[in-house]
Amino acid sequence: GESVGLHLPTLSVQEGDNSIINCAYSNSASDYFIWYKQESGKGPQFIIDIRSNMDKRQGQRVTVLLNKTVKHLSLQIAATQPGDSAVYFCAENIPWTGFQKLVFGTGTRLLVSP
Amino acid sequence: EAGVAQSPRYKIIEKRQSVAFWCNPISGHATLYWYQQILGQGPKLLIQFQNNGVVDDSQLPKDRFSAERLKGVDSTLKIQPAKLEDSAVYLCASSLKSFGGVDEQFFGPGTRLTVL
Repeated sequence: GESVGLHLPTLSVQEGDNSIINCAYSNSASDYFIWYKQESGKGPQFIIDIRSNMDKRQGQRVTVLLNKTVKHLSLQIAATQPGDSAVYFCAENIPWTGFQKLVFGTGTRLLVSP
Repeated sequence: EAGVAQSPRYKIIEKRQSVAFWCNPISGHATLYWYQQILGQGPKLLIQFQNNGVVDDSQLPKDRFSAERLKGVDSTLKIQPAKLEDSAVYLCASSLKSFGGVDEQFFGPGTRLTVL
């Protein structure tokens, strides 16, 4: 299939390990953050989101942590599976006259070995 | 529920030619977005429609790119004339609302454009 990126930072883990993917965002006024998963040949798929008034949010096997002091976001995936292999993007919503405006980071490729 | 549909999936053209992409959002979604994703990068917003009106086109290269959303449903994105640096995946997304808060965006599979 197509590759969504050839020179992305890559995280390689073994199946069953926990994965941590990090993201630095740019705008201190951003009020909402989202992690997306993108597989080859597909559009980004929503994983989990967090609002700026929170510092942690948990989903099924995924946790997002937000540190507004250093403008840092992380995605933790528990018990990583081969099906988690993809490129992961963080996105920040920049408040703009009431409309939503997402700015995406550059992405991290996650490779999960059986 | 049907997802966001895009066509064509792939397109190869020569520079200076024109090309058009089509998007059909999820039924009932008021907001439609076009993104450009260059290989190795995250998607970049080109234009955002609320129903059939343009909300944000600040990053759309208006000398060559145009987009419309007639009747507030389907949308087309056109490039004329294309340049080599336009080679990218063009993603369409839709959300139920846009104004007054954030809302999940649902993405289509994208159209991969190669300009030779």
